[in-house]
Amino acid sequence: DAGITQSPRHKVTETGTPVTLRCHQTENHRYMYWYRQDPGHGLRLIHYSYGVKDTDKGEVSDGYSVSRSKTEDFLLTLESATSSQTSVYFCAISESRVRNNEQFFGPGTRLTVL
Amino acid sequence: DQQVKQNSPSLSVQEGRISILNCDYTNSMFDYFLWYKKYPAEGPTFLISISSIKDKNEDGRFTVFLNKSAKHLSLHIVPSQPGDSAVYFCAASARGYGGATNKLIFGTGTLLAVQP
Repeated sequence: DAGITQSPRHKVTETGTPVTLRCHQTENHRYMYWYRQDPGHGLRLIHYSYGVKDTDKGEVSDGYSVSRSKTEDFLLTLESATSSQTSVYFCAISESRVRNNEQFFGPGTRLTVL
Repeated sequence: DQQVKQNSPSLSVQEGRISILNCDYTNSMFDYFLWYKKYPAEGPTFLISISSIKDKNEDGRFTVFLNKSAKHLSLHIVPSQPGDSAVYFCAASARGYGGATNKLIFGTGTLLAVQP
């Protein structure tokens, strides 16, 4: 299994509070991604990174920011959590196109915003 | 606008029979297609992929078929086993879209239940 960890694994927070989720990899992969999974929507890309300090928006980036100061860490911040951000968040990593764009996923973080 | 669609939210199959999961896409620029499997409380895991230059790829009990003219792909599992019960996601990428970033677009998933 690819070395990807996510922390925390579960979190309950209140509306309006900031929340930071962490993704850590030990594979030295260049690309990292944050997704959210919701019923009826599958996996939707929030933000991604193509190198240290190089990030870009995905399809559902509003209300989220990211940072990547080291190859191994990719942080997702909910600036002011809302109930609509209650979801399961997955981090993923990948390397070059040699492996057909395969991405390896972390175990997920279940976030509940009350 | 959903570029990758899985129109069947769920599928139930008897153990030993064939499971066929379907996926449709709209973007003709997609050049790689992947299937992921997801168990509850775990992250998705890669199952099998296919390049747009092929129409079939096989790996053990799993075969993916690609029909580019119909913009349709399917995953066949033969024979189905109870341990195959999971959510299956179809995903696609395109040079223009993913470029050097390896971005994927996922379908909404199909829950497969294999009955013993």
